[in-house]
Amino acid sequence: EAQVTQNPRYLITVTGKKLTVTCSQNMNHEYMSWYRQDPGLGLRQIYYSMNVEVTDKGDVPEGYKVSRKEKRNFPLILESPSPNQTSLYFCASSFLGGQGGEKLFFGSGTQLSVL
Amino acid sequence: AQSVTQLGSHVSVSEGALVLLRCNYSSSVPPYLFWYVQYPNQGLQLLLKYTSAATLVKGINGFEAEFKKSETSFHLTKPSAHMSDAAEYFCAVRVQGAQKLVFGQGTRLTINP
Repeated sequence: EAQVTQNPRYLITVTGKKLTVTCSQNMNHEYMSWYRQDPGLGLRQIYYSMNVEVTDKGDVPEGYKVSRKEKRNFPLILESPSPNQTSLYFCASSFLGGQGGEKLFFGSGTQLSVL
Repeated sequence: AQSVTQLGSHVSVSEGALVLLRCNYSSSVPPYLFWYVQYPNQGLQLLLKYTSAATLVKGINGFEAEFKKSETSFHLTKPSAHMSDAAEYFCAVRVQGAQKLVFGQGTRLTINP
């Protein structure tokens, strides 16, 4: 089954404790992206990747890191989490190649709480 | 820069009534437009998309949307609401040739029995 898998589904942590949210897709997609969803703000892009070893900042990259060492994986790293990073996070992926009409496939989300 | 505005953060309709969710976009070049739906505790799923072919786009679950360039709108409609339509709906825009997808703030749809 084609899917984007995020782990963990829920995470509670404390300020300053490094954490990683994993994302994996099995569709051989070139493009992967991380979003955060906050009430009243919709989804905002954190980072994206066009292919292996190619990553770039989205609209709200501060406090986050990513890596793309393999095509299928795109982990999100919070080196020193703060309470304002409490949010619902989504990983998404799609093919490249068209003119932008490709559909994004989303993971089920990771609800992060930073105390 | 492209953007979308969804009018109304909450919309409530009765079962069987017309559903109308509003989306206006801003883009200096012809855009691609999308509607995504998010059911409780799930990720987003594509409902439909406009990619400069027909201006009336039909999606899944009986939804459709019409691209109106003169009004810079891409409103989502469904003739008869069903209880299973209760969800959050997001309009999104992407400039042709770019990968960045910009989302609106979302509209939560409630269906009353």
